[in-house]
Amino acid sequence: RKEVEQDPGPFNVPEGATVAFNCTYSNSASQSFFWYRQDCRKEPKLLMSVYSSGNEDGRFTAQLNRASQYISLLIRDSKLSDSATYLCVPGNQGGKLIFGQGTELSVKP
Amino acid sequence: DAGVIQSPRHEVTEMGQEVTLRCKPISGHNSLFWYRQTMMRGLELLIYFNNNVPIDDSGMPEDRFSAKMPNASFSTLKIQPSEPRDSAVYFCASSPGSWFSSSYNEQFFGPGTRLTVL
Repeated sequence: RKEVEQDPGPFNVPEGATVAFNCTYSNSASQSFFWYRQDCRKEPKLLMSVYSSGNEDGRFTAQLNRASQYISLLIRDSKLSDSATYLCVPGNQGGKLIFGQGTELSVKP
Repeated sequence: DAGVIQSPRHEVTEMGQEVTLRCKPISGHNSLFWYRQTMMRGLELLIYFNNNVPIDDSGMPEDRFSAKMPNASFSTLKIQPSEPRDSAVYFCASSPGSWFSSSYNEQFFGPGTRLTVL
């Protein structure tokens, strides 16, 4: 089983839509979790940290289910500028981050 | 504030040549990471340092790859000899956390070096 599994997509959605991505991780010892965003040919950038059961930041909501070992990211009222690849990242002891392959999102006018 | 700085941004070389990639982490950050990204394999961790000491190099593909961090503000990743399959984008990232802390793992990435080996 891969350490992190994500649906690669692409998810093609119209502006204003709500879209959700799921991610499963295999290491039950993971303590911290992140969603990174990567634009085409650019570096990954932190979108959200998830330290407890979940948190919300504007249009973005991240949820964590430790029992089932999955993390989700919900984007409401999607914008054209949300088009990117979203990387699910569980953090392991020792400072290592294990990046998922990413889910591609394309928001259309 | 300056972010993570990498050089060169693009490198084209021929098979068999030595390639050296450079990274300057964010000042004050304790951890430094080297990643490689390809379409097929995604983002792979190659090696990471904490307080200039290599902590985990299990991701280094083979002996042709080596990394050093002589001081807190500089690191290099060297490939010798380079091969076409090394073509990828190489990212350096730094983090304010330490290896024993699981709660400060936010990493800040540099712009990457796009390496092409012909």
